[in-house]
Amino acid sequence: DAKTTQPPSMDCAEGRAANLPCNHSTISGNEYVYWYRQIHSQGPQYIIHGLKNNETNEMASLIITEDRKSSTLILPHATLRDTAVYYCIVRYGNNRLAFGKGNQVVVIP
Amino acid sequence: EAQVTQNPRYLITVTGKKLTVTCSQNMNHEYMSWYRQDPGLGLRQIYYSMNVEVTDKGDVPEGYKVSRKEKRNFPLILESPSPNQTSLYFCASSLRLGGSYEQYFGPGTRLTVT
Repeated sequence: DAKTTQPPSMDCAEGRAANLPCNHSTISGNEYVYWYRQIHSQGPQYIIHGLKNNETNEMASLIITEDRKSSTLILPHATLRDTAVYYCIVRYGNNRLAFGKGNQVVVIP
Repeated sequence: EAQVTQNPRYLITVTGKKLTVTCSQNMNHEYMSWYRQDPGLGLRQIYYSMNVEVTDKGDVPEGYKVSRKEKRNFPLILESPSPNQTSLYFCASSLRLGGSYEQYFGPGTRLTVT
């Protein structure tokens, strides 16, 4: 699986959009970009995934650059409950999810 | 409600006493997997199963066994637990194998081996 790079931590203001960056410059054409988050020590929660096109669901939006070397997860209106570690994962058909250190996001009132 | 359940949620045991952590999903998923999470090491895959009676090793299988006799259940067995198996364990499932299928995780089992 291609490696991803995320900032170790970031703060964002409650009610504002939170933009979480991820670099995956070695991604190959058939690898998906996945985002999960983990709140405290709960089970990782699936957020969204995409291959080439931008994606949106009830939780977030995923913007993938045209060259696919980076992506941004957007939480449209951050709430205090969005405080968590966010993981950006690139993966092919192997169902093993390679979680890195993630990005500790703190939503500030 | 679609979910992955694990039992027990917390367990303290002694070295060498066999234990089983159960995992069950109600989504008719073919693929199931076990991970362990340790500080500084992230989540690592222990074993996975692509369907009933089909299992294979993940990255850290030593000291663990699994079985998949029914589609919904995927128990994790520690025949002779040791202190280095103290960890937070997660079960996950997805519809089937493939990069486009998201995995759903259980709530976790915190195991302490003394």
